[in-house]
Amino acid sequence: EVQLLESGGALVQPGGSLRLDCAASGFAFSGSAMNWIRQAPGMAPEWVSSISPSGATTYYVDSVRGRFTISRDNSNNTLYLQMNGLTAEDTAIYYCAPRTVTGGPFDYWGQGTRVAVSS
Amino acid sequence: DIQMTQSPSSLSASVGDRVTIACRASQRINRNLHWYQQKPGKPPKLLIYTASNLENGVPSRFSGSGSGTDFSLTISSLQPEDFATYYCQQSYIGPPYTFGQGTKVEIK
Repeated sequence: EVQLLESGGALVQPGGSLRLDCAASGFAFSGSAMNWIRQAPGMAPEWVSSISPSGATTYYVDSVRGRFTISRDNSNNTLYLQMNGLTAEDTAIYYCAPRTVTGGPFDYWGQGTRVAVSS
Repeated sequence: DIQMTQSPSSLSASVGDRVTIACRASQRINRNLHWYQQKPGKPPKLLIYTASNLENGVPSRFSGSGSGTDFSLTISSLQPEDFATYYCQQSYIGPPYTFGQGTKVEIK
């Protein structure tokens, strides 16, 4: 059974930092591209960041590039998202999701972790 | 970036109705189009991948079609558990991998 357990979400002040973790099991984590996707209240999901299976290649949506850093630990099947310089526009539920097939969908989603940025 | 536009944004339907949701891409995306279902307080769930392939465990009343720029999701006979929000998403060009704005299916 695939399990994706996100953690690390919190209420943080503007300009603050958080690190999100995603513990994965039940699929070939080290062979899968991994993604962070966020969903602001009442809005559609928004892809945020991707990392290749080896971790060598990363991608970011323009609005977070330079502030967020995605990384992974294949020995512990864990995905990370370091978020710095948070703004109110980053308020959302953050999900981790694999893409097990190149060009394919986001196969599985965790329950998400809530990030709220407010003073 | 590729823009994904769904129509309608919301619809009201009765149990047993046939429902069709459209999704249009701003440029051709081959068949790299996927559909997700989301219920309140839950994460999105993959329903259909690559335009027309049913994910394991998804009821056969769901079907998808299309290629290029125009796609559709059809529910042949709406059931009570199908009331939810549906999103399309493209994976042909990206990142970014973009989602439609969603279609909320409500009870009439």
